Amino acid sequence: EPEVTQTPSHQVTQMGQEVILRCVPISNHLYFYWYRQILGQKVEFLVSFYNNEISEKSEIFDDQFSVERPDGSNFTLKIRSTKLEDSAMYFCASSETWGSYNEQFFGPGTRLTVL
Amino acid sequence: KNEVEQSPQNLTAQEGEFITINCSYSVGISALHWLQQHPGGGIVSLFMLSSGKKKHGRLIATINIQEKHSSLHITASHPRDSAVYICAVRGGADGLTFGKGTHLIIQP
Repeated sequence: EPEVTQTPSHQVTQMGQEVILRCVPISNHLYFYWYRQILGQKVEFLVSFYNNEISEKSEIFDDQFSVERPDGSNFTLKIRSTKLEDSAMYFCASSETWGSYNEQFFGPGTRLTVL
Repeated sequence: KNEVEQSPQNLTAQEGEFITINCSYSVGISALHWLQQHPGGGIVSLFMLSSGKKKHGRLIATINIQEKHSSLHITASHPRDSAVYICAVRGGADGLTFGKGTHLIIQP
């Protein structure tokens, strides 16, 4: 069964460093998402991406964040200058098309630890 | 902004018991998701529904759009069902709005 994959599974970085989290969505999916979950808190929406541009972003997704589809398979989330409060689990998801009735499939997550 | 509330927050039950987890939301939605999160952190989609009822194995999900309420039921619960169960809703926007989750422990 096709699945969303994410690398790395765990990333440790120093405050102020740039990190890139990588995702490979399901191959025929066209909509991509990033979510994050701070330890002990609920999952929060960051951004959605379609047709090589941001479709929607939350208030969390400020100028420190960017997303990109550098090639036909990868979808990346970049955090330019990490802060302690960026420590969280980051989940990538994809869906086949746009629309409320399209199920989102989640990757296993990347645990980011900022020291 | 949609507020998603789940109850109970924590639930411990004996193997074989019938489990019910509830979810309510404040604003009309187009779809509701039930998700499962295991201790390792990964999220698995269990159901997506916009009306009525869906069944998959021992899991049943129902939704009442008028009452803005959904329930997830587990029949003949098993220790491997132990996980966090999360309700998430989608309105007109792309992103899902999540509840805090229900921590379920099934004891042998």
